[in-house]
Formats: sequence, structure tokens, C-alpha cells
Amino acid sequence: AQSVSQHNHHVILSEAASLELGCNYSYGGTVNLFWYVQYPGQHLQLLLKYFSGDPLVKGIKGFEAEFIKSKFSFNLRKPSVQWSDTAEYFCAVNRGAGSYQLTFGKGTKLSVIP
Amino acid sequence: NAGVTQTPKFQVLKTGQSMTLQCAQDMNHNSMYWYRQDPGMGLRLIYYSASEGTTDKGEVPNGYNVSRLNKREFSLRLESAAPSQTSVYFCASSSLPGQGSEQYFGPGTRLTVT
Repeated sequence: AQSVSQHNHHVILSEAASLELGCNYSYGGTVNLFWYVQYPGQHLQLLLKYFSGDPLVKGIKGFEAEFIKSKFSFNLRKPSVQWSDTAEYFCAVNRGAGSYQLTFGKGTKLSVIP
Repeated sequence: NAGVTQTPKFQVLKTGQSMTLQCAQDMNHNSMYWYRQDPGMGLRLIYYSASEGTTDKGEVPNGYNVSRLNKREFSLRLESAAPSQTSVYFCASSSLPGQGSEQYFGPGTRLTVT
């Protein structure tokens, strides 16, 4: 079965530090890749997505992610985090055209200290 | 547009009681989904509806039923609630499945079964 691994359960950073959250998936075929964010008490919102083209994807709020096919990875990055980035981040994968099922990682909780 | 709406926001049930969670979207999306979110588990797909008139099981369908009432509405029913069904339930919708189409999430229903 397809699986999605997020390496860190909880990351604590100071404001202005750089962020990289890891995500690896197990499916070898064509995939669509997503990062969602869930702010405390809120629903999931899309940060960015990749389905084809440039493997470096830019999203909202200064986030970006790089798809490395050979490593089955889609890591999320931000050069300088803010306190308002405190949230839980979820990587998700589906198998491309025709697939309805989105498989989520278990999430990484990010705490940014002012 | 309201996006994806869910009712109720909170619910407490006793073991064995039944209830229906309601979901509606106003984005004219074809596909709708029900997930549950548990701490440390990410989101897991319960059921989905690729289009009006169809429903399919996801990863964790046991103990649930769904109805795609029309294009806008997709309900989730617990016939006999169990403590293991204590969770936060999210409904989502999407336009084209799998082709880079993102899922839009509702605000969630927090369900406690005692």
C-alpha cells in the first residue's frame, strides 16, 4: 500500500530560522504531491502542490517544496519562519490522473518561538 | 462562497447512539470525501464519492455509511457509535480527481463517544 512518511513529529524553531520538513512516499508511479497546513483550531488549507513541470514549487506565505523523483521526496522549505507559521503541516500524495484517494502523512507540528 | 460547510461543529454521543454528519459544498465540485483525524495519525479516508450517485470505501470504512444526496451534499452516518470513533471528522471536495486537483476542506466536526 502507498504510504507517506514525515520524518519529524514536532519541530521547534526560533523566529527567522530556516525550515525544512521532510516527506517521502512509497509509490513508484506518477504522483501528485501536496503540502497542507492546519493552523490551531482550523481546517486544512493548501500550501502548495506539484503535479508536473518544474520540480521546485512555490506556494503561499513564502513556502516552497522540491520534488526529487529519484528520492521519492517532496520536502517543504521556508528560509525564515515567523511566529504565525506555528501550525501542523501535512504532506499528501495521490497517484495522478484518475486517482481519488489522497494519502496523508502523520503530520509535523511546528512551533515557532518569538 | 462558503466553500465546504459541515454541521454540527461539536457532538457528544453515548456508545450505541447514531448520528449523521452533514457536509455541503458550493463550488460545483464533482468529488467529495470524508476523513477522520486522530492525534499522530494524520488524516485517513473513510469514504469518498467520485461523482453524484457513486460512493466508495476508503482506508477506514468500518462502522460508517455515507450518502451522496445530490451534487452539493455528502453525509456520513454512524449507526452505532463506539468510543473508537471519537475523532475529528473532515469533509472535503475537489473538482477533477487526481489531475493536480486540490481538495478543499471543511471546518471539521469534533465527535466524542462516551
